[in-house]
Amino acid sequence: DAKTTQPNSMESNEEEPVHLPCNHSTISGTDYIHWYRQLPSQGPEYVIHGLTSNVNNRMASLAIAEDRKSSTLILHRATLRDAAVYYCILRDIRTNFGNEKLTFGTGTRLTIIP
Amino acid sequence: KAGVTQTPRYLIKTRGQQVTLSCSPISGHRSVSWYQQTPGQGLQFLFEYFSETQRNKGNFPGRFSGRQFSNSRSEMNVSTLELGDSALYLCASSLALGLVNHEQYFGPGTRLTVT
Repeated sequence: DAKTTQPNSMESNEEEPVHLPCNHSTISGTDYIHWYRQLPSQGPEYVIHGLTSNVNNRMASLAIAEDRKSSTLILHRATLRDAAVYYCILRDIRTNFGNEKLTFGTGTRLTIIP
Repeated sequence: KAGVTQTPRYLIKTRGQQVTLSCSPISGHRSVSWYQQTPGQGLQFLFEYFSETQRNKGNFPGRFSGRQFSNSRSEMNVSTLELGDSALYLCASSLALGLVNHEQYFGPGTRLTVT
């Protein structure tokens, strides 16, 4: 699996935007970029995914560099509920039956300051 | 729609014992994956089941095993427990319709403590 690199921790003030970076310099043309987050005392939850174009959903936005070697998860207005560990994961588009494995890195621990 | 449920939520066992953990996926989901989470190693993939067959396996010893039933419910078993098996065991389910599934849904986990 291609490797991702994320900062260990970040802090942000409440109600301000947060930009969480992820480097994936060895990404292949068939890798999707996924983001999951794990809130305290909960299992991970899906946040967003993308392939080449920037993506938006109700939770966040995903900005993907033109060369796809990096991406940024954007939380537009952080709340205390967004305090979590955020994981950037690559998954091969050719995944088919019986290959749902997610390879988690160490993630970024996001702290929101009230 | 009910989420992924795992039972029990907490468990304390003694070294050398065995343990069975249960996972009920979201209705209609056919794939169930198991993960171990520890402070030192983070989240590590254990194995995945689809249509009652193990389709993918992580790098864990044979003491860790699992199975999936016809209703997609899954169990994992750890025999001869070691202190290092203390961890949060997470189950995830997904539709697995043959296309890449972008969303996997995780349960709250079972916290296993081995003394």
